[in-house]
Amino acid sequence: DSGVTQTPKHLITATGQRVTLRCSPRSGDLSVYWYQQSLDQGLQFLIQYYNGEERAKGNILERFSAQQFPDLHSELNLSSLELGDSALYFCASSVAKGSGTGELFFGEGSRLTVL
Amino acid sequence: GDSVTQMEGPVTLSEEAFLTINCTYTATGYPSLFWYVQYPGEGLQLLLKATKADDKGSNKGFEATYRKETTSFHLEKGSVQVSDSAVYFCALSDGTGFQKLVFGTGTRLLVSP
Repeated sequence: DSGVTQTPKHLITATGQRVTLRCSPRSGDLSVYWYQQSLDQGLQFLIQYYNGEERAKGNILERFSAQQFPDLHSELNLSSLELGDSALYFCASSVAKGSGTGELFFGEGSRLTVL
Repeated sequence: GDSVTQMEGPVTLSEEAFLTINCTYTATGYPSLFWYVQYPGEGLQLLLKATKADDKGSNKGFEATYRKETTSFHLEKGSVQVSDSAVYFCALSDGTGFQKLVFGTGTRLLVSP
């Protein structure tokens, strides 16, 4: 158990809909990262937050947004869903913004299926 | 931008065989290098890491050496077990200090008894 909790574990929805994925980081971790894992694209970095502020942005679509709340949990919002958004979405956390150890602790993922 | 290239899988081995999974990288600056493992139905977890050239990371019988001259970080294990069956990801940090990791596409390892 990594200590990172993601909900829901599975989600099935229709094209055009909007969903919210939730992540609770490990106790004490200030950084939260979102990754998308799909069969054809591998593991893609989406966005990082540190203590409530956006720190780094990757290949995140404009239809997607995220935020980190004062209690440090994070949400990833996916809107106007398309078939190609079907993927496993991982949240990860780490203790600091720049310790350089590179150890991210991953949740078990939220599997999104868009029909 | 920074990138990681891994050998395609699946890699299929018999128990006690020697394992090598190749990983090469392209990066500016001085990245740290990592191997993460994903067991079925689980999230990724750190297997080993190396933060500078010629460092060797090791854990659970797995080893990888940071080779700057060949920009490689190949994963090796002398004798694999069925329980090692998983997907292995090579990754690098971008060196900015924000720990954003760039992952390879992953290599699935299947070990049969």
